Amino acid sequence: DTAVSQTPKYLVTQMGNDKSIKCEQNLGHDTMYWYKQDSKKFLKIMFSYNNKELIINETVPNRFSPKSPDKAHLNLHINSLELGDSAVYFCASSQQQGAYGYTFGSGTRLTVV
Amino acid sequence: AQTVTQSQPEMSVQEAETVTLSCTYDTSENNYYLFWYKQPPSRQMILVIRQEAYKQQNATENRFSVNFQKAAKSFSLKISDSQLGDTAMYFCASPAAGTASKLTFGTGTRLQVTL
Repeated sequence: DTAVSQTPKYLVTQMGNDKSIKCEQNLGHDTMYWYKQDSKKFLKIMFSYNNKELIINETVPNRFSPKSPDKAHLNLHINSLELGDSAVYFCASSQQQGAYGYTFGSGTRLTVV
Repeated sequence: AQTVTQSQPEMSVQEAETVTLSCTYDTSENNYYLFWYKQPPSRQMILVIRQEAYKQQNATENRFSVNFQKAAKSFSLKISDSQLGDTAMYFCASPAAGTASKLTFGTGTRLQVTL
C-alpha cells in the first residue's frame, strides 16, 4: 500500500484550463501539505491542513484552491492555468507537528502548454 | 525571512569515498527537528536522517550521519562508503519560525557518485 498517493503522476494541459490533483494518505497523519517544486528544484510550501482545517496559506495566487474533505485527503484545484504553473507538485503528510518529518507522495508533474 | 542555506549546488564523489554536504539554517524555535531528504531521479522525496535539536548526540543511520552544531546553526550530512545509488539531490530542511510543523527546504545539493 502506498502511504501517500497522488494522482495523476503526469498532467499536460493547455493554458486557461482548470485541473485538479488528488492526494490521499493512509498513515493516519493529522496534517497534510502541498509543496511546489520549480524547474530549479526549489521546494516551496503552498498550503497545509490540520484535521481538515487550513493552517498555512502561503502567498499563492487565488487560482489555487485546496480542499480537504477529511483528514486523509487533500486535493488541489487550479483554475485558469498559466505557463508559470508548470512544476512538480508534491503532497505530503505528517504527524505530531512534523516531528518525524514529512512523508511525501511521488509528485505530479504539471506541464502547461 | 526564514532561510536554509546549502552552499554547494553540486558535488561529486568516487564510489566508496566519503562526502559531506553542508547546511546552515535560521530558526527561532527552541525545540525543533532537522531533516535531510534525498531526491533521486525517480523524483520521490525520501527521508534520509532526522536530528532532534535538544539532543547533543549526532544522528546516525547506517552510512549516513550528521554533524549538528546547534550554536552555529549548522547541520551537515556525511555519507560514508558512497554508492552509485546515492546519486541524487539532497535537501536540508528546518522548521520555519512560529510554525514548527512547516518545513523550509534548502536549494539542494546535486550529488554525483562516480566509479
